[in-house]
Amino acid sequence: KNEVEQSPQNLTAQEGEFITINCSYSVGISALHWLQQHPGGGIVSLFMLSSGKKKHGRLIATINIQEKHSSLHITASHPRDSAVYICAGMNTGNQFYFGTGTSLTVIP
Amino acid sequence: NAGVTQTPKFRVLKTGQSMTLLCAQDMNHEYMYWYRQDPGMGLRLIHYSVGEGTTAKGEVPDGYNVSRLKKQNFLLGLESAAPSQTSVYFCASSFGLANYFGPGTRLTVT
Repeated sequence: KNEVEQSPQNLTAQEGEFITINCSYSVGISALHWLQQHPGGGIVSLFMLSSGKKKHGRLIATINIQEKHSSLHITASHPRDSAVYICAGMNTGNQFYFGTGTSLTVIP
Repeated sequence: NAGVTQTPKFRVLKTGQSMTLLCAQDMNHEYMYWYRQDPGMGLRLIHYSVGEGTTAKGEVPDGYNVSRLKKQNFLLGLESAAPSQTSVYFCASSFGLANYFGPGTRLTVT
C-alpha cells in the first residue's frame, strides 16, 4: 500500500464545474504539497500546507491533520486546468512520499 | 534566477552505455533530489543530498550513482544503462518546506 493515496485516478469535467481531488496519507508528515504536471512534463508546486486551508486564484487546498487527509479544489474549471495533479507528503527529514497522481481533463 | 535546470532534456542510450545527468540550482538550497517518473508509479526517489559533499540512497538507488561536489550541482550517473532505466528523470531542490522541480530529462535506453 502506498503511503500516499489519491482519488480519483482520472477525472473528466465540463468547463465551469467544481472539481475535488482527494489525498490520504498514512505516514507522519511535516507538510503536504500539491503539484501540477502539464502534458509538457514540467512540475510546478501549487501549494505547500501544514494546516488549515490555502487559496490561490481558483485553487483551494485544505488539510485535516487528524484525519490525515487533504483536498484540492478547483472552482470554475477551465480547459487549461487539464493536467496531472500530484499530492506529496514531506517528512521532517525533507523526504517526499508521492501519490500516483490524478489526471484531470476539462472539456470545453 | 534560473531556478532548477537539468541537462540534457532528452537522451537516447544503447544498453551498456554510460551517461551523467546534471542538475543545477541557483537558489543556494541545501537539499537536492533525483527522482524517476514512470507511468502508473508516480515519482520515486533515487538519491538525495542534504548538503555539499553528502549523498544518500532513496527508494530506487540501484544502477545509479550521484555526486554533490558543489552545493549548486547534483549529478546523476548511469554507469551501464539498462532498458529498465528508460524513464523521465526529475531533479528537485528544497529550502525549508518549499520544493522546486527541474523541467525533467527524458531518457530512453534501447
